[in-house]
Amino acid sequence: EVQLVESGGGLVQPGGSLRLSCAASGFSFNDYGMNWVRQAPGQGLEWVSYISGNSRTATYYADSVRGRFTISRDSAKNSLYLQMDSLRAEDTALYYCARTAHVGNWFDPWGQGTLVTVSS
Amino acid sequence: QSVLTQPPSVSGAPGQRVTISCTGSSSNIGAGYDVHWYQLLPGRAPQLLIYGNRYRPSGVPDRVSGSKSGTSASLAITGLQAEDEADYYCQSYDSSLSGPVFGTGTKVTVL
Repeated sequence: EVQLVESGGGLVQPGGSLRLSCAASGFSFNDYGMNWVRQAPGQGLEWVSYISGNSRTATYYADSVRGRFTISRDSAKNSLYLQMDSLRAEDTALYYCARTAHVGNWFDPWGQGTLVTVSS
Repeated sequence: QSVLTQPPSVSGAPGQRVTISCTGSSSNIGAGYDVHWYQLLPGRAPQLLIYGNRYRPSGVPDRVSGSKSGTSASLAITGLQAEDEADYYCQSYDSSLSGPVFGTGTKVTVL
């Protein structure tokens, strides 16, 4: 079964840092691009970041997080990461990891998400 | 913030048909980029419902369908059931933003 499980969320003060993890199983992790997508409370979905597969490790970011967040992956551990620095209240959200399809830009599957709360 | 516009809510009685529109522009849907649809239920992982404008992944019932025309796309659910009560989002790619974009989201209520 293809599965993604996020972890690492929690309460952090403004200006602080947090590292999210996403454990992948049931597929050849190295072959796929991976994403982080977030949903703030009461708001819609927002794409956050993408990292390519096949060892190319090209990375892309939404303007709202560029320069503060860093996406990475460890193929040996079948894991995706999101290092979040200089956190702001507006970064409070449920963070999902999601796989990008081979032949299109849709997301499937998704994890259940991990909650990040930025508050003093 | 979202560049794809959806109605905030739609509703229908069990067995009826509902449609959700997703309106974009010349830099996303109108530029020829595909539209995909997702169902969000509280406490569950988002689920892909439609990819490539009109294709259903295995396991998605055929009473769910998608279409695209010009700068808009639509999701239709026929034979509405209580289990369809959820939030639905469209998604495409935007060349001006150089990244994936989502719709504003639509809550479907089964009366």
